[in-house]
Amino acid sequence: GIQVEQSPPDLILQEGANSTLRCNFSDSVNNLQWFHQNPWGQLINLFYIPSGTKQNGRLSATTVATERYSLLYISSSQTTDSGVYFCAVVPGGSNYKLTFGKGTLLTVNP
Amino acid sequence: DAGVTQSPTHLIKTRGQQVTLRCSPKSGHDTVSWYQQALGQGPQFIFQYYEEEERQRGNFPDRFSGHQFPNYSSELNVNALLLGDSALYLCASSFEARPLSPLHFGNGTRLTVT
Repeated sequence: GIQVEQSPPDLILQEGANSTLRCNFSDSVNNLQWFHQNPWGQLINLFYIPSGTKQNGRLSATTVATERYSLLYISSSQTTDSGVYFCAVVPGGSNYKLTFGKGTLLTVNP
Repeated sequence: DAGVTQSPTHLIKTRGQQVTLRCSPKSGHDTVSWYQQALGQGPQFIFQYYEEEERQRGNFPDRFSGHQFPNYSSELNVNALLLGDSALYLCASSFEARPLSPLHFGNGTRLTVT
């Protein structure tokens, strides 16, 4: 099956810093989503981005489907950004079966 | 517009028991998928239901079964619980007629098996 690799596995930042999270995938995809999981386990949709670039406030994401990677940018980080960030993909030809990476654990210190 | 709702939020069971978890999809969605998330891991696909039938299944034993009702809500049943079944169980919904659209997740049910 498709492989999804996220890096770095852990990231510690000071409030106000910027960061880039990466997601590599091993095959073509129909769907790519970025999620933020808060400490209570709630999985929050950040972006649906199978290709192209999107921005939402301090967050933005870019997916280069032909090169099989996606990047999530967090600018001016805040302590509330802490949590685990997951990249998840639906392989080409599949239907809604999301395959998740192992996540990036982000800690933002005040 | 209600999102995906799951119940209960927390559950404690004993090894060997059986458990039923419930999910109501987002309004307008007709497809429900279940995921298991062990501590420190990403969610793993269990199975997906559409038109009241299991359509896809991940690498989970037959102890895991499900059901979808005519109103699109769904249940996940786990029999003969093992300690390793302790996890966060997430439900996700989607709309079959719009395959290239994001999945929406509920807040999950945290199951502890003692």
